[in-house]
Amino acid sequence: GESVGLHLPTLSVQEGDNSIINCAYSNSASDYFIWYKQESGKGPQFIIDIRSNMDKRQGQRVTVLLNKTVKHLSLQIAATQPGDSAVYFCAEEDAGNMLTFGGGTRLMVKP
Amino acid sequence: GAVVSQHPSWVICKSGTSVKIECRSLDFQATTMFWYRQFPKQSLMLMATSNEGSKATYEQGVEKDKFLINHASLTLSTLTVTSAHPEDSSFYICSARDSGVPRETQYFGPGTRLLVL
Repeated sequence: GESVGLHLPTLSVQEGDNSIINCAYSNSASDYFIWYKQESGKGPQFIIDIRSNMDKRQGQRVTVLLNKTVKHLSLQIAATQPGDSAVYFCAEEDAGNMLTFGGGTRLMVKP
Repeated sequence: GAVVSQHPSWVICKSGTSVKIECRSLDFQATTMFWYRQFPKQSLMLMATSNEGSKATYEQGVEKDKFLINHASLTLSTLTVTSAHPEDSSFYICSARDSGVPRETQYFGPGTRLLVL
């Protein structure tokens, strides 16, 4: 069976609402951050990225916020749709180009 | 965006057999590819970094003789799980970075699910 520590945190939102997924990173030397979306049985899909010289970046329906002071990253999804249901991972990269993934958050969109 | 493919998508094999997984960058060249393993409801864990024309770099705790990596060309890396056992059952995912773009993000393949009986 599974141990408690292996359960992904879940965010449940109503269709049409905005979603905010949070991530704390650990390496203060990381200078590149990426959000990935992973649907069941598939590989991670790039959503949006941000470099450390920025604190906000917007894409289509998605916004990433970076707070380097507290080493916090967030992904905002506007007007969440059922197709947004997936597991979302943040990842950090330092100058050595090694990507380290966070634990992941499961987003469930209720119709 | 850049496309990375993996083959096969699914593998079911008997304990003791060896399984080869291919990772291809379809529309770009990748000097470096990465191999990850993902267990159910867990995040991706980097196994090794595959470098074209040289030996792979393995993460701590990953046996290089068990997980053989070959990066023979700029568009192909292979991972061979030798003498597979049930505990090797997992979702194996590769990624690649476009060699021509500095600090380009990694693009991931669709993954290969391995089940060892």
